[in-house]
Amino acid sequence: KNQVEQSPQSLIILEGKNCTLQCNYTVSPFSNLRWYKQDTGRGPVSLTIMTFSENTKSNGRYTATLDADTKQSSLHITASQLSDSASYICVVSDRGSTLGRLYFGRGTQLTVWP
Amino acid sequence: EADIYQTPRYLVIGTGKKITLECSQTMGHDKMYWYQQDPGMELHLIHYSYGVNSTEKGDLSSESTVSRIRTEHFPLTLESARPSHTSQYLCASSEPDRGNSPLHFGNGTRLTVT
Repeated sequence: KNQVEQSPQSLIILEGKNCTLQCNYTVSPFSNLRWYKQDTGRGPVSLTIMTFSENTKSNGRYTATLDADTKQSSLHITASQLSDSASYICVVSDRGSTLGRLYFGRGTQLTVWP
Repeated sequence: EADIYQTPRYLVIGTGKKITLECSQTMGHDKMYWYQQDPGMELHLIHYSYGVNSTEKGDLSSESTVSRIRTEHFPLTLESARPSHTSQYLCASSEPDRGNSPLHFGNGTRLTVT
C-alpha cells in the first residue's frame, strides 16, 4: 500500500533554533516529492520539489533532502522564525498512472516560540 | 501567491440544506481539484477536472458533485448537507504537467453542518 508517513506529529522549538522534519514513503513507482507549508487558516504552499536524481534542494532557510534508496526525505529549517509556525506536509507523486497520483502525509505541526 | 479564490471562507448551515462552494482561478489552469482536509489528517481528493466539461470522482467517496462549465470556475455542490460533511474543503489547480507542477491552493472553506 502506498503511504507517506511524517514525523514528528508536532514539534515546538524556540525562535532561532534549527529543526528537521522527517518524511518516509512507500510510494512506488516514484516521480517526485514535494514539501508544502500550510499556515493556519490558509491553503498549502509549495516549498520545494525533488525528483529521483536530486538529493538536496534549498529554498532560503528551508533545505530538503531525499534518499530515494531508503525512501526518506527531510526538511531542515535553519534559524527558525515565528512565521515558520505552520503545518509542513510531505507529498509524493507516483509515475506511470494517467492521473499522476499524489500521496499526502498528515503533516508535522511546527510551533516556534519567542 | 497563486490566484485561486474560494468563497465563502466559513459556512455554518443546518442539516438538509443545499450548498455550493465556489472556487475560481485566474491562471488559466486546465486542471482543478477539490480536497477534503480534517484536523491532523491527510488531504483526500474528492473531485478533479482536466478541463471544461471534464469531471471525475477522486479517491474519497463523496456525496458532493462538481461542474466545470468554464476553465476558471469549479464549484462544488452538496444537495443535502449532513453533519458528516463538516470539514475543510480546499480547491486547487495546476499546470498541465501535474507531475512536476505544484498544486496552487485556495485558502479553503470551513464547513460546519449542524
